[in-house]
Amino acid sequence: SQQGEEDPQALSIQEGENATMNCSYKTSINNLQWYRQNSGRGLVHLILIRSNEREKHSGRLRVTLDTSKKSSSLLITASRAADTASYFCATAPDSGNTPLVFGKGTRLSVIA
Amino acid sequence: DVKVTQSSRYLVKRTGEKVFLECVQDMDHENMFWYRQDPGLGLRLIYFSYDVKMKEKGDIPEGYSVSREKKERFSLILESASTNQTSMYLCASSLQGYNEQFFGPGTRLTVL
Repeated sequence: SQQGEEDPQALSIQEGENATMNCSYKTSINNLQWYRQNSGRGLVHLILIRSNEREKHSGRLRVTLDTSKKSSSLLITASRAADTASYFCATAPDSGNTPLVFGKGTRLSVIA
Repeated sequence: DVKVTQSSRYLVKRTGEKVFLECVQDMDHENMFWYRQDPGLGLRLIYFSYDVKMKEKGDIPEGYSVSREKKERFSLILESASTNQTSMYLCASSLQGYNEQFFGPGTRLTVL
């Protein structure tokens, strides 16, 4: 059962611009994670934000979490052509050792 | 460097064949997962395992089985491959169910 829903499904921006992707979910969570997938490859973990955190940074990535709205956003600043990939949010349910639930992803294209 | 490896990057099989997809991780992780990924459907969990010889059904287990005889190895078996099982198969592992997952490079399976 997929819980996370990313928005938009696809995003196209110019190099140097910021890219913002959103994720909404339905039930309470232990944490929320963002992953990146280059075409035809496996997913790579980017960042994890716990349910008691509101914002987290890692390099050019900034993630926010609003548990009252059950939503998160991923901001990539000063985007590069190499950031072109699909980005997925994944929620860890707040109920024991249960697997992550992945959304369908946002396809980001950064045009040089 | 942590690593999850999958036995094949590309595989072509005939309808009705028995297919084995192997996944090996070198991180001593308890949890291992098999997903399939199809355009527009995101990642869907087929099976997962919390421990050796343990297995749990995911969202779409029909037509698949799994085996985990050793901690580092998790096999996905298609007993009788069908064309609707043509897909990208991704294996992942994690320390706990809610931790970050480490993914293999994927196996693109085509069933003719």
